Amino acid sequence: QAVVTQEPSLTVSPGGTVTLTCGSSTGAVTSGHWPYWFQQKPGQAPRTLIHDTSNKLSWTPARFSGSLLGGKAALTLSGAQPEDEADYYCLLSYSDTRLWVFGGGTKLTVL
Amino acid sequence: EVQLVESGGGLVQPGRSLRLSCTVSGFSSGDFSMSWFRQAPGKGLEWVGFIRAKRDGGSTEYAASVQVRFTISRDDSKSIVYLQMNGLKTEDTAVYYCIRGGYGDRFDFWGQGTLVTVSS
Repeated sequence: QAVVTQEPSLTVSPGGTVTLTCGSSTGAVTSGHWPYWFQQKPGQAPRTLIHDTSNKLSWTPARFSGSLLGGKAALTLSGAQPEDEADYYCLLSYSDTRLWVFGGGTKLTVL
Repeated sequence: EVQLVESGGGLVQPGRSLRLSCTVSGFSSGDFSMSWFRQAPGKGLEWVGFIRAKRDGGSTEYAASVQVRFTISRDDSKSIVYLQMNGLKTEDTAVYYCIRGGYGDRFDFWGQGTLVTVSS
């Protein structure tokens, strides 16, 4: 099974910009992996922020954006707020095996 | 308003079975693919499986870790999606989440989760 990799932890200053990445052990991440990004705050269920690489949902704050960067999926937070402190998970589809695989998550600290 | 509410979690002994339910409202369950994810205590998220929408035949796919032991089904007349878990192992201990989407539909709405604890 493919392994999806994320930075274990990152720190960003309030108002700053940070990019989280999501890589695949099988090679470059492409739009065909339908990359997702989810946010989970302590004690809460996750929520979907980004689908299909860069598409936002109605509740996704404008300061979050998704892209492909250097063979990885990327989530960029521009203008970090204290409430953005959370765990962030990426999810990739491996259509040849009809599987979805999560990354291990990135713990983002706003400090 | 779209809502997903999981139920059926609890404490169960290894080797036993448990069935989780996901009751949906605000949309027709048969019109969407539906998925289950899980999260072990203090760990990351894991995809469990999905059931395709009626338009795509309603078939299922599962993660290797639960293949054969877990079965996803639906009763669209009741707007419920089920996760039947057989032969439970201690490593199945997790919060189980129901999510709309997974095949041909984006993952969007999540339930609040239900805790399953497998222990003797």
